[in-house]
Amino acid sequence: DGGITQSPKYLFRKEGQNVTLSCEQNLNHDAMYWYRQDPGQGLRLIYYSQIVNDFQKGDIAEGYSVSREKKESFPLTVTSAQKNPTAFYLCASSTRGQGWFETQYFGPGTRLLVL
Amino acid sequence: AQKITQTQPGMFVQEKEAVTLDCTYDTSDQSYGLFWYKQPSSGEMIFLIYQGSYDEQNATEGRYSLNFQKARKSANLVISASQLGDSAMYFCAMREGRAGANSKLTFGKGITLSVRP
Repeated sequence: DGGITQSPKYLFRKEGQNVTLSCEQNLNHDAMYWYRQDPGQGLRLIYYSQIVNDFQKGDIAEGYSVSREKKESFPLTVTSAQKNPTAFYLCASSTRGQGWFETQYFGPGTRLLVL
Repeated sequence: AQKITQTQPGMFVQEKEAVTLDCTYDTSDQSYGLFWYKQPSSGEMIFLIYQGSYDEQNATEGRYSLNFQKARKSANLVISASQLGDSAMYFCAMREGRAGANSKLTFGKGITLSVRP
């Protein structure tokens, strides 16, 4: 089955600890994205990557880092510099535009909680 | 100014009736795309429907249709024949610029829809 997987489903972080969220896709999509969602809010873009070995900051990149060494993988590290990391994290991927249409498809998400 | 505005409070609809979820947007680009996503309590975002700025007809996908009024900058989602499984959060999103050149989406804050039996 083609799709996007995220792991773990729940993640607990201690103060001062870095944690890494996994995102894998087998859709052969070029672009991948990380979003953060706070309760009752919409999604905010953290980082995105349109091609392997390249990525750009989104609107709220501070305290986060990413890598894109393989087309199918886009892990997100929440560093100790992120002072308020408790949130729901969603990964997405999309095909590079075909005509005017380019939809992002999402994984099931990871809920990060600070102990 | 917010790029995507969804201001309705929680919406309620009776099963089998139609409901309209409002979305207004703000952009100076001529080329853009508008998306609606559904987020059930499980958390996953499910793509529902897409409307391109140059599309002359309103988009439809099964029970979902998009009422696109370009001059008013609105892109309302219409769900016909509501089902209990439609209870969820609904998000409107916009991509500014041409697909491929810019793939970033901006999301609204969402609307909660509850379907009553």
